[in-house]
Amino acid sequence: EPEVTQTPSHQVTQMGQEVILRCVPISNHLYFYWYRQILGQKVEFLVSFYNNEISEKSEIFDDQFSVERPDGSNFTLKIRSTKLEDSAMYFCASTPGTGVDFGPGTRLTVL
Amino acid sequence: QKEVEQNSGPLSVPEGAIASLNCTYSDRVSQSFFWYRQYSGKSPELIMSIYSNGDKEDGRFTAQLNKASQYVSLLIRDSQPSDSATYLCAVGLDGSSNTGKLIFGQGTTLQVKP
Repeated sequence: EPEVTQTPSHQVTQMGQEVILRCVPISNHLYFYWYRQILGQKVEFLVSFYNNEISEKSEIFDDQFSVERPDGSNFTLKIRSTKLEDSAMYFCASTPGTGVDFGPGTRLTVL
Repeated sequence: QKEVEQNSGPLSVPEGAIASLNCTYSDRVSQSFFWYRQYSGKSPELIMSIYSNGDKEDGRFTAQLNKASQYVSLLIRDSQPSDSATYLCAVGLDGSSNTGKLIFGQGTTLQVKP
């Protein structure tokens, strides 16, 4: 059964640095998402992506965040200037239209 | 502010018992409801979805929805130690321009004791 994949599994960065988190959604899914989960807190919606553009974003998804689908398979989340509070698990997800399938996540640690 | 509320637990049940997990939501127009299981350090895994009032059964799992009371529950029959995890209730935000944008509850930690 196809799965959402994410790389890297763990990323450590210094505050102020740029990071790019990568995902390969399930190929026949239509919508792609990024969610995040700060340790001990709720899973939070960041952004949805459909037909090669952002369809919705949360108030968390400010100007330091961007998403891109550079080719037919990869889906990336860029954080331009990381802050300590960006430390979290970042989950890529996709859906065929009902239910959302999550990838394994990237743990981002900002020092 | 749209909210999904769950008792954080832990809920402790003996092996073989029925575990009952509950969730309430604030947005009356919500139409899609999901239960995810999350093991520590792992991603959420979809176990049940429900869209209409009543019960939906899948193996040992039964989801129950009462839209009038804005209440969703998950029953796990014949609980096993491997069911020990955090169970996340998630609600789909209708009226948004896409499917799959979910609001999650805090999660209920279930402990099944052998």
